[in-house]
Amino acid sequence: DAGVTQSPTHLIKTRGQQVTLRCSPKSGHDTVSWYQQALGQGPQFIFQYYEEEERQRGNFPDRFSGHQFPNYSSELNVNALLLGDSALYLCASSSQAFRAGVRNEQFFGPGTRLTVL
Amino acid sequence: GEDVEQSLFLSVREGDSSVINCTYTDSSSTYLYWYKQEPGAGLQLLTYIFSNMDMKQDQRLTVLLNKKDKHLSLRIADTQTGDSAIYFCAESNLSGGYQKVTFGTGTKLQVIP
Repeated sequence: DAGVTQSPTHLIKTRGQQVTLRCSPKSGHDTVSWYQQALGQGPQFIFQYYEEEERQRGNFPDRFSGHQFPNYSSELNVNALLLGDSALYLCASSSQAFRAGVRNEQFFGPGTRLTVL
Repeated sequence: GEDVEQSLFLSVREGDSSVINCTYTDSSSTYLYWYKQEPGAGLQLLTYIFSNMDMKQDQRLTVLLNKKDKHLSLRIADTQTGDSAIYFCAESNLSGGYQKVTFGTGTKLQVIP
């Protein structure tokens, strides 16, 4: 089991550009959550996907959008990049049991480091 | 909304005990978590406690929960240099029927040999 994988590892973009980050969940998991971790901060919840739909959303603007595919993998898209979007973007996978609060664990990927110049 | 606060930095000598503290505001928390993040890595779940428990022990780790004061602590016994990392406290609740996790800002633990 490869666990949660994310690509790319690092990415450098300029202001105004668009970026797509990718995540493959752990085998057996159907839910993907995305978090933004700015330098020196804790992860901030962006949104959660399962059954190919956005189910929950944190306090992020519409420039942040996502998608989930039938194989449960997910993409995070950010449009019109700002300098403040520079961060580590973490993907976490979990199961229906986690969503319902029955199980406690979501598994995190290693993250994608996005730098906006 | 939910808020989780932690002290930013803790320095201990190898072999001593470390205690990392956290406060949270959500009175309807389901679980409370401690995660570890090493440089350049993602988050690793260390331990968790149900919101209706007071204490949980797992090898060198002891979690204490004071639900009245909304205070959570993580004690690491016999701290080793490999314990140097950033430790995140997090709480979860069922928001709209789905578990939502809120993280603190993290405590950087430095272990001095």
